[in-house]
Amino acid sequence: EVQLVESGGGLVKPGGSLRLSCAASGFTFSGYSMNWVRQAPGKGLEWVSSISTSSSFIYYADSVKGRFTISRDNAKNSLYLQMNSLRAEDTAVYYCARDHNWNYAIYAMDVWGQGTTVTVSS
Amino acid sequence: QSALTQPASVSGSPGQSITISCTGTSSDIGGYNYVSWYQQHPGNAPKLIIYEVSNRPSGVSNRFSGSKSGNTASLTISGLQAEDDADYYCSSYTRTSTSVAFGGGTKLTVL
Repeated sequence: EVQLVESGGGLVKPGGSLRLSCAASGFTFSGYSMNWVRQAPGKGLEWVSSISTSSSFIYYADSVKGRFTISRDNAKNSLYLQMNSLRAEDTAVYYCARDHNWNYAIYAMDVWGQGTTVTVSS
Repeated sequence: QSALTQPASVSGSPGQSITISCTGTSSDIGGYNYVSWYQQHPGNAPKLIIYEVSNRPSGVSNRFSGSKSGNTASLTISGLQAEDDADYYCSSYTRTSTSVAFGGGTKLTVL
C-alpha cells in the first residue's frame, strides 16, 4: 500500500523549533518530488516547501523562507522539515505529499499523509 | 490572501451540475498547464481529483472534469451526489516564486 506517515508535531513555544518527519512506503520514494503543505485551523491549504528527487531543487513559501529547511533521505525513504523560529501563525496541520509524476514535478500531489499537528503557543 | 481566487461557496441539488472557478494570472494558471484540483472532506487529507488542467487520476469518477480558459480554470461536477459535499481547492504552478499556489477553497453544499 502506498503510504505516507508524518510524525514530530506537538506544542512548542514561540521562537522554538520542531523537526517533522514523513515516512514513505509502498513506492519508490527516490523517484518522486515531495512537498510539505499546511492547513491552519479552519483555513485553506498553504504550500510550504518542495524538494526534487535528488534534492537538487528546493523551494520555500515566502512565509517560511529562512526559518524552515526541507530535506530527504532516499536511503531511509524519509522526508523532513526542520522548523526554527516558530511563530503563532505557523500553527497548522502539516501534511507531506508526493508529486503525481515520476522523476520530474508536475505540481500535483496524489499521495498525502494523515497530517501532524503543530501548535505554537506560550 | 490566496494567490488564486475561488468562490467561497457553491451549492446544487443531487443530479445537477456545478462549476467552480479558479482565477489567477498569466504567471500561474494562464502560463502553465499545471492546474490541479483537490477534494477535502472534514478531518481528512486532501484528495487529488484533477491534474494538468483536465486529467483524472486513476479511480476518480468521470463526473469530475477540469478545463482552463486564459487565466481561469474550472472544475465541473456533474450528476451531483451527497458524497460530493466537501471543500474543493485549486492549485497551480506559479513562476512568481517557483512554487505552488493554492486557491482559498470552495465549500460545495449538496442540498
